[in-house]
Amino acid sequence: QSVLTQPPSASGTPGQRVTISCSGSSSNIGSNYVYWYQQLPGTAPKLLIYRNNQRPSGVPDRFSGSKSGTSASLAISGLRSEDEADYYCAAWDDSLSGSWVFGGGTKLTVL
Amino acid sequence: QVQLQESGPGLVKPSETLSLTCTVSGGSISSYYWSWIRQPAGKGLEWIGRIYTSGSTNYNPSLKSRVTMSVDTSKNQFSLKLSSVTAADTAVYYCARALPGIAAAGTDWFDPWGQGTLVTVSS
Repeated sequence: QSVLTQPPSASGTPGQRVTISCSGSSSNIGSNYVYWYQQLPGTAPKLLIYRNNQRPSGVPDRFSGSKSGTSASLAISGLRSEDEADYYCAAWDDSLSGSWVFGGGTKLTVL
Repeated sequence: QVQLQESGPGLVKPSETLSLTCTVSGGSISSYYWSWIRQPAGKGLEWIGRIYTSGSTNYNPSLKSRVTMSVDTSKNQFSLKLSSVTAADTAVYYCARALPGIAAAGTDWFDPWGQGTLVTVSS
């Protein structure tokens, strides 16, 4: 059971816009930044969005992040076949002595 | 650019200690936090803990009693030991650097990641 809650799956057709949600609590998303990682099949995760809505260099502007209260979202516009991957949200959790927590991951299928 | 490579035994017996090393190449290990993250097959990511190059550590409370991390700046390596392992510890283990250097917890991010190494706990 992951601390952050994501839908297990999402799908869309090429060119569509899809969003993936991430729900947490006041001790994690509610008081800290949210990060998104993309994991292509058989590879290590890769940073996609940092500090809620910032894109690292090299990440297309088709990817965008947002946060409101204790929830966050990743939006992918102009969906492409190479976007088919698992997506994970992450945030620092201030409870106990502090720890990074992740969502359970959302498998995105491009139909 | 900085690259990370995990190494260690791929098979560990139950109740024994899992030991992994992450070698950093293409840059210095100094002045960064370095983390271990694991992923059981078909499941999500779990943060194990982090170490700063000074040796300061933070561990996941759920694993804290079994985890020890260390750093060897002379070899540009950091290591993970997880004791009393069970089948539930079977996973791909990743090492990762936190950017941007020293930063308040939660304001940094994992980049890059190693390719990961599969550790199976079985007799």
